[in-house]
Amino acid sequence: DAGVIQSPRHEVTEMGQEVTLRCKPISGHNSLFWYRQTMMRGLELLIYFNNNVPIDDSGMPEDRFSAKMPNASFSTLKIQPSEPRDSAVYFCASSQVQVTGELFFGEGSRLTVL
Amino acid sequence: GESVGLHLPTLSVQEGDNSIINCAYSNSASDYFIWYKQESGKGPQFIIDIRSNMDKRQGQRVTVLLNKTVKHLSLQIAATQPGDSAVYFCAEKGGYQKVTFGTGTKLQVIP
Repeated sequence: DAGVIQSPRHEVTEMGQEVTLRCKPISGHNSLFWYRQTMMRGLELLIYFNNNVPIDDSGMPEDRFSAKMPNASFSTLKIQPSEPRDSAVYFCASSQVQVTGELFFGEGSRLTVL
Repeated sequence: GESVGLHLPTLSVQEGDNSIINCAYSNSASDYFIWYKQESGKGPQFIIDIRSNMDKRQGQRVTVLLNKTVKHLSLQIAATQPGDSAVYFCAEKGGYQKVTFGTGTKLQVIP
């Protein structure tokens, strides 16, 4: 059974470039979460969706960040333009609503912005 | 200026001993509390959870204790093994499935 699938696993880009991170949640899960992990701030919740609808995006750092979930099996997190301080590991996680809060995480996308 | 990273508290435990990892949470309205384990280079992995109306729950080699009076959560690992070495996060689930994480504790198991 496939878990949460994220791509790319690693990305190195230059400041000012657009970055798109992708996530495929576990089939049947109806909540999807984007987290960012850095040494400075730990694991931060950026945004989460329930049934493809964004519920809380208060963690999105600024307008340069946007996230979409066009259907139940795909989500993107976009950064435009990227900055060096965006360098982090970005995790996608999914879960079933009405269950305990157990999240299933992907392996993460490590982003380095030069 | 120079950036300062999070200083993760570290717990060093001898193999075979019991480990206790503590966490303070902030939201008294959270309905579930969860422990996650994160190994190097991987995403966090669910270990065990506890509902807010319980004070103890046991799993395989792990026990979670919840003290709502002082907003404290602990994870006990029995007979700690080298494979338990990781960073452990407590998390709380609040309204509408929102799950927020604490800063984490690094567990080092000494063989």
